[in-house]
Amino acid sequence: QVQLQESGPGLVQPSETLSLTCNVSGDSIRTSYWSWIRQSPEKGLEWIAYMYYSGNPKYNPSLESRVTILVDTSKNHFSLKLNSVTTADTAVYYCARGGSSWSGYYNWFDPWGQGTLVTVSS
Amino acid sequence: QSALTQPASVSGSPGQSITISCTGTSGDIGNYNLVSWYQQHPGRAPKVIIYEVTKRPSGVSNRFSASKSDNTASLTISELQAEDEADYYCCSYARSSWVFGGGTKLTVL
Repeated sequence: QVQLQESGPGLVQPSETLSLTCNVSGDSIRTSYWSWIRQSPEKGLEWIAYMYYSGNPKYNPSLESRVTILVDTSKNHFSLKLNSVTTADTAVYYCARGGSSWSGYYNWFDPWGQGTLVTVSS
Repeated sequence: QSALTQPASVSGSPGQSITISCTGTSGDIGNYNLVSWYQQHPGRAPKVIIYEVTKRPSGVSNRFSASKSDNTASLTISELQAEDEADYYCCSYARSSWVFGGGTKLTVL
């Protein structure tokens, strides 16, 4: 059974870079698409990015200029970097399997990690 | 890319049925059969209950069903149970990106 676990700093200074890692266990990261999603009281659930293990990342247009998703097959994990953060980026960040647009192939998000709260504050 | 529109809240009594709507546009729901629904209990991560408009993952109760018409998707929960009280979110593919609904809080009276 696939399990995902987010890790990274819980507090980030404004204008700095938010960096998170999602460790995948129970399956190879080479089998699927992988996504980052965040949730805040103000914006609800917001999809951030997805990527197939071999490349071709896609980003939320509203975040595209600041975000990077990477997959590390040697460590079976994937990561998120969000630059120039502001208080509006404070949210619970989830990693999840899925994001494909192919019929019958992970075009849903499941499972999700437990989520990690990232607060942007000085 | 605007969020999909859901009612903020719905309620029903045990044993009753409720339906949650999710309205998008011809650029998302109306153009793709890639609508999924998620259930989220307080303090927990969302869990998929419907994918590809109408399909239920293994292990999800058949009390959950869904459909789509034009730019609107709908989730129906029949025979309401106390454990169904949660937040529900729709999600649709939208041309190389994904968009979520604002969420609907279901209260079981």
